[in-house]
Amino acid sequence: GAVVSQHPSWVICKSGTSVKIECRSLDFQATTMFWYRQFPKQSLMLMATSNEGSKATYEQGVEKDKFLINHASLTLSTLTVTSAHPEDSSFYICSARMAGWDTGELFFGEGSRLTVL
Amino acid sequence: GQNIDQPTEMTATEGAIVQINCTYQTSGFNGLFWYQQHAGEAPTFLSYNVLDGLEEKGRFSSFLSRSKGYSYLLLKELQMKDSASYLCAFMDSNYQLIWGAGTKLIIKP
Repeated sequence: GAVVSQHPSWVICKSGTSVKIECRSLDFQATTMFWYRQFPKQSLMLMATSNEGSKATYEQGVEKDKFLINHASLTLSTLTVTSAHPEDSSFYICSARMAGWDTGELFFGEGSRLTVL
Repeated sequence: GQNIDQPTEMTATEGAIVQINCTYQTSGFNGLFWYQQHAGEAPTFLSYNVLDGLEEKGRFSSFLSRSKGYSYLLLKELQMKDSASYLCAFMDSNYQLIWGAGTKLIIKP
């Protein structure tokens, strides 16, 4: 089946630093990738929709200058949390939709747990 | 407006059957999804319904009624490994997924 790889799985950083999370589709081309944030015991919250070669579309309330998304190729999207603060500590998950999809299925990365000290 | 609702938590016994309901309201609809999520892990796809009726896939079945804005996920022969959160989500007219808050299913021996 289709595989989405997310890296790093765990990251601990100091407040004020920036963290980059990568999301790669390993065996398919993903024209659209989605970035989610999930706080403990809560559902997925869509942060932004990333389309290859164009600017990401951010959900209401998500600061685009703080959460920088780049989708430079059909297999890679990156999320950079700039000037991270403890309240940014969360589980970040990406998902990808296969180019030419017809089932609607999303393929999820393993998730990245960010802890900001 | 759009909204989606599912119970917060359910408890069932190993070997039994459990039904997790999901209701939704939307003007545009392109299908309903069920995902399973174990604690600390990313969700995994279970089912996709776009037409009314029951879709069976092994121990798991999913039902959809578009006129009622209603879906359920049926889990049979429950196993301890089925303890997880089950997320329903519908796809709206813009092909965006609108997620429910998830139902935490607790399986007891």
